[in-house]
Amino acid sequence: SQTIHQWPATLVQPVGSPLSLECTVEGTSNPNLYWYRQAAGRGLQLLFYSVGIGQISSEVPQNLSASRPQDRQFILSSKKLLLSDSGFYLCAWSKGFGTGELFFGEGSRLTVL
Amino acid sequence: QQQVKQSPQSLIVQKGGISIINCAYENTAFDYFPWYQQFPGKGPALLIAIRPDVSEKKEGRFTISFNKSAKQFSLHIMDSQPGDSATYFCAASVSNTGKLIFGQGTTLQVKP
Repeated sequence: SQTIHQWPATLVQPVGSPLSLECTVEGTSNPNLYWYRQAAGRGLQLLFYSVGIGQISSEVPQNLSASRPQDRQFILSSKKLLLSDSGFYLCAWSKGFGTGELFFGEGSRLTVL
Repeated sequence: QQQVKQSPQSLIVQKGGISIINCAYENTAFDYFPWYQQFPGKGPALLIAIRPDVSEKKEGRFTISFNKSAKQFSLHIMDSQPGDSATYFCAASVSNTGKLIFGQGTTLQVKP
């Protein structure tokens, strides 16, 4: 069966510090990978998605970047965090685009102080 | 045009009652409409989904009603239980793009 892991689960960082959130998927190959951010009362905002190694599409211009160094690894990064980067970050995967079903990880809660 | 608007933002229902959450969209190219359920501190999980070729889909106590002409769809939870207390998100996508656009979410509380 397929599983998705995110870490760290919780992170408190000062403004201006770097960020690295990691996501890995097991039990499938060549998944589509996604990063969403969930802010209170604002739903789930798609940040990045990837259809293959090194292929990243950005949905929202911002302080963040994403990379996919391996088939089942997706990394969300920032060089300098802003207060507005605080939120609940969710990684997800799907098997192709056909069904539209996403499988989410447990999330990483980021607080920027 | 890419937005999905969801209401209400929060909902309190008595045990055994019916919970109804509504969503509306503008993009007529959307062809996949799922609902996700999220418990506190967890990632969302797919609950039920519908495509626009049917007007209703039922799975146990959960039903999606779809009105293509009005560009609206809704989730009905029959015989609501305290264990249904969670945040519910509607979403929409054009299926060959793989990008789900989510509504703002509805926090449901079912009182015992």
